[in-house]
Amino acid sequence: EDQVTQSPEALRLQEGESSSLNCSYTVSGLRGLFWYRQDPGKGPEFLFTLYSAGEEKEKERLKATLTKKESFLHITAPKPEDSATYLCAPRGVQGAQKLVFGQGTRLTINP
Amino acid sequence: DAGVIQSPRHEVTEMGQEVTLRCKPISGHNSLFWYRQTMMRGLELLIYFNNNVPIDDSGMPEDRFSAKMPNASFSTLKIQPSEPRDSAVYFCASSRTGQGVDTGELFFGEGSRLTVL
Repeated sequence: EDQVTQSPEALRLQEGESSSLNCSYTVSGLRGLFWYRQDPGKGPEFLFTLYSAGEEKEKERLKATLTKKESFLHITAPKPEDSATYLCAPRGVQGAQKLVFGQGTRLTINP
Repeated sequence: DAGVIQSPRHEVTEMGQEVTLRCKPISGHNSLFWYRQTMMRGLELLIYFNNNVPIDDSGMPEDRFSAKMPNASFSTLKIQPSEPRDSAVYFCASSRTGQGVDTGELFFGEGSRLTVL
């Protein structure tokens, strides 16, 4: 069965303090690892898709990387507006279009 | 272009009542997903449709839950009878797949917050 674990559950940073969020997964035949951002009271919003180990994607202060067992979301010099819950979701062969979401990391950036 | 539209945004009902949640996917999208989100269990996939056909309903918790997609622009999720443990935020999402297109990107609605007393 596909499994995904995100850590830490919550993270508080000062503005400008860089850090990384972790997503560990066990998926049969990975067909994409997806990162989403969710603001309070809203639905998740797509950020990145990574397909193979070694791949990296960047968007503003965010960079996502992928290995065979983990993905990291690196946040460089974050701003308060980066505060949100970040969700990762691997997709395996058996799941076809099914995304199994992790519990998320709740990120708070203090000014 | 309008995003995924869900209604109602909030629903408070009493145990035993029937609840119907509605979703209008993005025009041109042919896959539709119903998710449920709670603090304890996170975001769980309940069911998804391709071209209006249910493909995987293994996440539907029990027979009290049912979902339909009568056409490409409308879907419902029904709970009958409702129970307090059904209280959650229910999200609908859509995507475009097939014919070489499958980014896996889901577009989510803003959710329907259900409270069953």
